[in-house]
Amino acid sequence: GAVVSQHPSWVICKSGTSVKIECRSLDFQATTMFWYRQFPKQSLMLMATSNEGSKATYEQGVEKDKFLINHASLTLSTLTVTSAHPEDSSFYICSARAWDRNQPQHFGDGTRLSIL
Amino acid sequence: AQSVTQPDIHITVSEGASLELRCNYSYGATPYLFWYVQSPGQGLQLLLKYFSGDTLVQGIKGFEAEFKRSQSSFNLRKPSVHWSDAAEYFCAFNSGNTPLVFGKGTRLSVIA
Repeated sequence: GAVVSQHPSWVICKSGTSVKIECRSLDFQATTMFWYRQFPKQSLMLMATSNEGSKATYEQGVEKDKFLINHASLTLSTLTVTSAHPEDSSFYICSARAWDRNQPQHFGDGTRLSIL
Repeated sequence: AQSVTQPDIHITVSEGASLELRCNYSYGATPYLFWYVQSPGQGLQLLLKYFSGDTLVQGIKGFEAEFKRSQSSFNLRKPSVHWSDAAEYFCAFNSGNTPLVFGKGTRLSVIA
C-alpha cells in the first residue's frame, strides 16, 4: 500500500529555534499534501493544504509566517516551525494524496515536537 | 455546515465480543467516507473507504462498515474484537478533492 514517511518522529529543542519536519511519499506521487496538528486526546486539526509547486493554503487561525510549508516536489513536503515556543509543542502529522480523487489520504507516523 | 459526529468518546468491549462504532455525517451530497485507526503516538492507518457502489465495504483487520444514506451514517463493525484492536478510531469524509473532515474520535479499550 501507499507509504508516507515522516521525519523526525520526535524532536526536542530550545525555545526560539526553528524546526523542520519532512514528509515523503515513498511509492506514489503526492499531488497534494496536508499538515495536521493534534493535541492530546483530540482529533486532527488541519493546518494547511499544499499542492506541488504552489503556495500552501492555510486554515483560518494558522500563522503562515510561523508555520512555513514547502511542497517543491511530488514526493516531498516540509513544515518548518519558525522561532518555536513552548505553545508550539504538539503532535504534527502529514498526509499525502495522489492526483486521482478516488485515492484516499495516506498519513505519516507523526512528529512529536517538544519545545523547552 | 459539513461535519462528522462520533457520538461515543470511549467504548470498552471484552475480547471476542462484537464491536460497532458509530459515525454520522452532515453534508449536502454523498461524500467519500473513511475510517482510520490511530495507535498511541502513531499516525493514522486507513481501515476502509466508501466512494460508491456496494454500501457494505470490507476493510483490513476484519473490519467492515455500512453506508446508510437515509441515516447519514457510516458505522464501523467487527464481529470479534482482539486486544490489539485497542486504539483511537476516526471517521472522516471529503468530497473528493477537499481535505478530510474528521470526527473527534472514539477510543476503544479491550478487556480480557
